[in-house]
Amino acid sequence: AQRVTQPEKLLSVFKGAPVELKCNYSYSGSPELFWYVQYSRQRLQLLLRHISRESIKGFTADLNKGETSFHLKKPFAQEEDSAMYYCALRGTSYGKLTFGQGTILTVHP
Amino acid sequence: EAGVAQSPRYKIIEKRQSVAFWCNPISGHATLYWYQQILGQGPKLLIQFQNNGVVDDSQLPKDRFSAERLKGVDSTLKIQPAKLEDSAVYLCASSSILDRGRTQYFGPGTRLLVL
Repeated sequence: AQRVTQPEKLLSVFKGAPVELKCNYSYSGSPELFWYVQYSRQRLQLLLRHISRESIKGFTADLNKGETSFHLKKPFAQEEDSAMYYCALRGTSYGKLTFGQGTILTVHP
Repeated sequence: EAGVAQSPRYKIIEKRQSVAFWCNPISGHATLYWYQQILGQGPKLLIQFQNNGVVDDSQLPKDRFSAERLKGVDSTLKIQPAKLEDSAVYLCASSSILDRGRTQYFGPGTRLLVL
């Protein structure tokens, strides 16, 4: 079975502060991990995926297989980063995505 | 390119009534997904189509939910009869086989309230 846990439902930081959104997963094989984001009044959209090893909007995420984690990080948060963030896992190519419960990030001015 | 389209955007029905949702994926996307998102939870996959064939419907409550994608393009999801616990946002998404489905593009969702 595949499971994704996001332990924080709410996370508040001030502009310019570092931010880390936690994601832990459970899967017996080699999963693909993703972060999706939903800004206010917008659609759910892909932010980044571990296989690309990319930085999007200043966010990065490293897959730690030993700790089964895929935490999302940004060194200096901006107000426009305020959104709902979902961590998601896929076990096989073309397989289904399993989402975590999401973390609401609020960046205060 | 045009995004994933869904209709209606909102629907209010009484329990035991039936309801149908429609989705038109991005042109050329072979894979289509229906998710259910209950308030406070992440999206949960109900059914995944590859063209007009079902890839995964393991979490679809088949006694009341049905979905079809007859021509491999648009899709409908039906609930009959609806229960109170079906109140949720129903999201449709699509993806291309060219990137092995790694990027899913979501529609705006249909918000269902069952009274």
